[in-house]
Amino acid sequence: GAVVSQHPSRVICKSGTSVKIECRSLDFQATTMFWYRQFPKQSLMLMATSNEGSKATYEQGVEKDKFLINHASLTLSTLTVTSAHPEDSSFYICSARNRDRGEKLFFGSGTQLSVL
Amino acid sequence: QQQVKQSPQSLIVQKGGISIINCAYENTAFDYFPWYQQFPGKGPALLIAIRPDVSEKKEGRFTISFNKSAKQFSLHIMDSQPGDSATYFCAASLNQAGTALIFGKGTTLSVSS
Repeated sequence: GAVVSQHPSRVICKSGTSVKIECRSLDFQATTMFWYRQFPKQSLMLMATSNEGSKATYEQGVEKDKFLINHASLTLSTLTVTSAHPEDSSFYICSARNRDRGEKLFFGSGTQLSVL
Repeated sequence: QQQVKQSPQSLIVQKGGISIINCAYENTAFDYFPWYQQFPGKGPALLIAIRPDVSEKKEGRFTISFNKSAKQFSLHIMDSQPGDSATYFCAASLNQAGTALIFGKGTTLSVSS
């Protein structure tokens, strides 16, 4: 149990286009999901906290108009990278806290975004 | 206050040896300390976690040692195997629903056969 599914696993897009990444909690409800960004050989940096039914909370320095987050249901959060540029190329990872399993935080398998 | 400092950055251990990774935190309000294992191109997987009311927790070959007064905690991997070669992250947070984890910078472990 406690599976977090992230899709797609890899995406290549042209500069200026928008890309949507989905994060689903398959067997539990997640009122809160988190989006992280990870550059090669570096740690995970929290981008934003996604709350079901309300606006996401963004970390300092993260452009909310560029990284649109929607948490429309208890099992789905989406991150849309708008007007992507090569510097947005990174590994994006979502995570969700399973209320039924205490404090444990489970991660998706990540999305490698490459912007040409 | 929000930082979690992790060391070493990389570690090479012989098969069968003990791998030790250390972390230190500053925020005394943190009360949940997990360790994650990450393979290239994959998301982190929870290995083991500890709360500050215990000094040690063991699950199989993995042990967390926690020193509340020193604000430090460490991961010990006993009988290290080549399959353990991965990047390990310590993290810390408040144990509250909706609270994000703050990660250390990671340790790349290589276990030689």
